[in-house]
Amino acid sequence: QKEVEQNSGPLSVPEGAIASLNCTYSDRGSQSFFWYRQYSGKSPELIMSIYSNGDKEDGRFTAQLNKASQYVSLLIRDSQPSDSATYLCAPEQGSSNTGKLIFGQGTTLQVKP
Amino acid sequence: NAGVMQNPRHLVRRRGQEARLRCSPMKGHSHVYWYRQLPEEGLKFMVYLQKENIIDESGMPKERFSAEFPKEGPSILRIQQVVRGDSAAYFCASSQSMGDEQYFGPGTRLTVT
Repeated sequence: QKEVEQNSGPLSVPEGAIASLNCTYSDRGSQSFFWYRQYSGKSPELIMSIYSNGDKEDGRFTAQLNKASQYVSLLIRDSQPSDSATYLCAPEQGSSNTGKLIFGQGTTLQVKP
Repeated sequence: NAGVMQNPRHLVRRRGQEARLRCSPMKGHSHVYWYRQLPEEGLKFMVYLQKENIIDESGMPKERFSAEFPKEGPSILRIQQVVRGDSAAYFCASSQSMGDEQYFGPGTRLTVT
């Protein structure tokens, strides 16, 4: 079992739709979770962090966390062509602050005009 | 608004040479992380450093690779006697404290010929 699993995609959605990106992780001790966006040939850009079960909203983005199910997701509302990128899920390894992020392979999102 | 800085952005080395990659964290950040992204692969944690201390080097290859973050100056990732398999993008990230959000630099693309 991979430490962090994401559907590689591509996930294709029309402009204006909601894009739903999912991630499962194996480390039950993980307490901190991060979503990054990476455009081709560029560095990862932090989108959201989430630490508690439930939802966290920031603009068009909503992160959802369920530690019991070891599941974290990212919703993008009103998707724009500029959202087309690879989205990386990154739980922090371990039950206390370790600083060590374990990245999934990423989900490629394509938003079609 | 200086973010994480890395240099050089591109580095070409012949097999057997040494590569030195530099990273200056964001202002106010004292925690530095190095990640490697091999072609068509995900981001992999290498090492976590604070000023003058290596906190976690569990992701570093046992030979040829070393990292430091001196009291003054940037963090350095050093690769001795490079081989073709070292060709990758090397990203540095920084955070204000352990377990905090990590912000990535633009990366150094290393090509070994």
